[in-house]
Amino acid sequence: DTGVSQDPRHKITKRGQNVTFRCDPISEHNRLYWYRQTLGQGPEFLTYFQNEAQLEKSRLLSDRFSAERPKGSFSTLEIQRTEQGDSAMYLCASSPGRPSSYNEQFFGPGTRLTVL
Amino acid sequence: AQSVTQPDIHITVSEGASLELRCNYSYGATPYLFWYVQSPGQGLQLLLKYFSGDTLVQGIKGFEAEFKRSQSSFNLRKPSVHWSDAAEYFCAVGDGSSNTGKLIFGQGTTLQVKP
Repeated sequence: DTGVSQDPRHKITKRGQNVTFRCDPISEHNRLYWYRQTLGQGPEFLTYFQNEAQLEKSRLLSDRFSAERPKGSFSTLEIQRTEQGDSAMYLCASSPGRPSSYNEQFFGPGTRLTVL
Repeated sequence: AQSVTQPDIHITVSEGASLELRCNYSYGATPYLFWYVQSPGQGLQLLLKYFSGDTLVQGIKGFEAEFKRSQSSFNLRKPSVHWSDAAEYFCAVGDGSSNTGKLIFGQGTTLQVKP
């Protein structure tokens, strides 16, 4: 068990640029979640996948955001035309597919995005 | 709607003193409750969880938490704090009845430990 990994750890970009983050979940976990955490706040749910299917998206996820999980393995989160308000820590978490473990999520180290 | 409130934004305790971090939740059914810890610039590490059964749950690093349904609370405790416990602590509730598994987090409590 190597844990959840995220890449890059830090990203600085200029407003209007596109950015893409990657998350590699724990290998046997079926569920993958994305959260956003702004300074001084708790993480907020963005979206989640059951295998390769994206099953729910938060209203926080505007049309500039897109997430994929091809083949049910790693996931990417892309932000197009970044805005300064997108500056945040983007956290990925994975969870086993067993019903009793649905809520037990293991978090990666996060990607810190700064939009200038 | 589900929500989590952590009334204390910032707490300072002396090393060796006891600690209690408060968490109140709003949820209609039996909640799944969690405490996570986050060190600066890091992701979240699960300290402990409550799903059902014994209302006093033990976690890692000497932490425990007690679920009190009558008070809608899930407070985190530690009898003797170590300097390495300085971090941000998040309480979260999960929706055990739906299929999403998403977590709702509180705002967090920052713990400072005085030598």
